[in-house]
Amino acid sequence: ETGVTQTPRHLVMGMTNKKSLKCEQHLGHNAMYWYKQSAKKPLELMFVYNFKEQTENNSVPSRFSPECPNSSHLFLHLHTLQPEDSALYLCASSQDPGAYTEAFFGQGTRLTVV
Amino acid sequence: GDSVTQMEGPVTLSEEACLTINCTYTATGYPSLFWYVQYPGEGLQLLLKATKADDKGSNKGFEATYRKETTSFHLEKGSVQVSDSAVYFCALSTNKGAQKLVFGQGTRLTINP
Repeated sequence: ETGVTQTPRHLVMGMTNKKSLKCEQHLGHNAMYWYKQSAKKPLELMFVYNFKEQTENNSVPSRFSPECPNSSHLFLHLHTLQPEDSALYLCASSQDPGAYTEAFFGQGTRLTVV
Repeated sequence: GDSVTQMEGPVTLSEEACLTINCTYTATGYPSLFWYVQYPGEGLQLLLKATKADDKGSNKGFEATYRKETTSFHLEKGSVQVSDSAVYFCALSTNKGAQKLVFGQGTRLTINP
């Protein structure tokens, strides 16, 4: 396996469900990110983790709960979502949070809230 | 705050046409600049980057030059192909305690044969 892998690729959930998105990177990077991509809007940074510590929460509602158990794995736990939360959720990683290195992205999870 | 503004799409061109997608930015300090490409059903892939003023990034026939005086990083290609059809994102990276990418809204490009 290479790069950044996200599972599942597609998810449909009801507003009362609880689900989790998973991201795994095999690049030896120290920083991981969650982004939200909605139609006709710029990518929105949600969370940043550096060396397993959350360093940024971009005013994300508490119904989104991230977890980073180690530098290679990142989860996004979802509960009581709203239809407007339907979007493509992208995970990314970068080598060093202190350097101007590019981010590597997964293919995303297409989430539909019904 | 930091921001990136791209030309609005969609952009439709014929094969072998010249392409320019405009990108301007606002940032404190000296950001790095990137172009990412997103093919249908895929995540974002880095296309090219420039880390300081006057640097030119290039890849797959695409080029962009970091212009500090005009705060711009326009994407150009002399002859586009059908396979270039995708969404293109301009982005900047600042280091304020943790690296963070700020993206433009994306420009959808369609190339017709």
